Amino acid sequence: AQSVAQPEDQVNVAEGNPLTVKCTYSVSGNPYLFWYVQYPNRGLQFLLKYITGDNLVKGSYGFEAEFNKSQTSFHLKKPSALVSDSALYFCAVRDSSSGNTGKLIFGQGTTLQVKP
Amino acid sequence: KAGVTQTPRYLIKTRGQQVTLSCSPISGHRSVSWYQQTPGQGLQFLFEYFSETQRNKGNFPGRFSGRQFSNSRSEMNVSTLELGDSALYLCASSFGTGVNQPQHFGDGTRLSIL
Repeated sequence: AQSVAQPEDQVNVAEGNPLTVKCTYSVSGNPYLFWYVQYPNRGLQFLLKYITGDNLVKGSYGFEAEFNKSQTSFHLKKPSALVSDSALYFCAVRDSSSGNTGKLIFGQGTTLQVKP
Repeated sequence: KAGVTQTPRYLIKTRGQQVTLSCSPISGHRSVSWYQQTPGQGLQFLFEYFSETQRNKGNFPGRFSGRQFSNSRSEMNVSTLELGDSALYLCASSFGTGVNQPQHFGDGTRLSIL
């Protein structure tokens, strides 16, 4: 079965410092990975995706993610955190076990708290 | 370009009632998926529609159903509501079902069951 794990419920960083939100995955076949962010009382907002190619993926709002096949990880990073980055972050994998489907399997989410 | 629109934003129902939630995808998007978000279970996949056909269904009881219309708009219905159905219901759309196409989410319908 395909799955995604986010080992940290919460990550705290100071504004201006680099941030990392961790994600590991388990898939049979090629991994198609996504990061989303959710602000209070809002839906999920797409940040970036890894389908194939370069291991460093650049996304919206200065975020990037590093794909590591040997460690089955897809960590979200940002060189300099902003207070406005404080939100709930979800890692997701496309479920390819049942053919060509849009179904996403999500991790449990990590709350990012950026303090001024 | 308008995003995914979900109506209503908030809904309060009582046990035993039924409810219909609506989703209008981004213009041109033909794939619509529904997810349930709760504090305990997180984000769980409900179903996916493409060109009016259900392509995939999650592990939910038959009380949960959905459909898609020819204009790609989608509705989901929950009958005989239970307290545990209280959740944020999110709709997502994408142009197709290709693995390289991200899903774009609406702001959800928050359903509260009394």
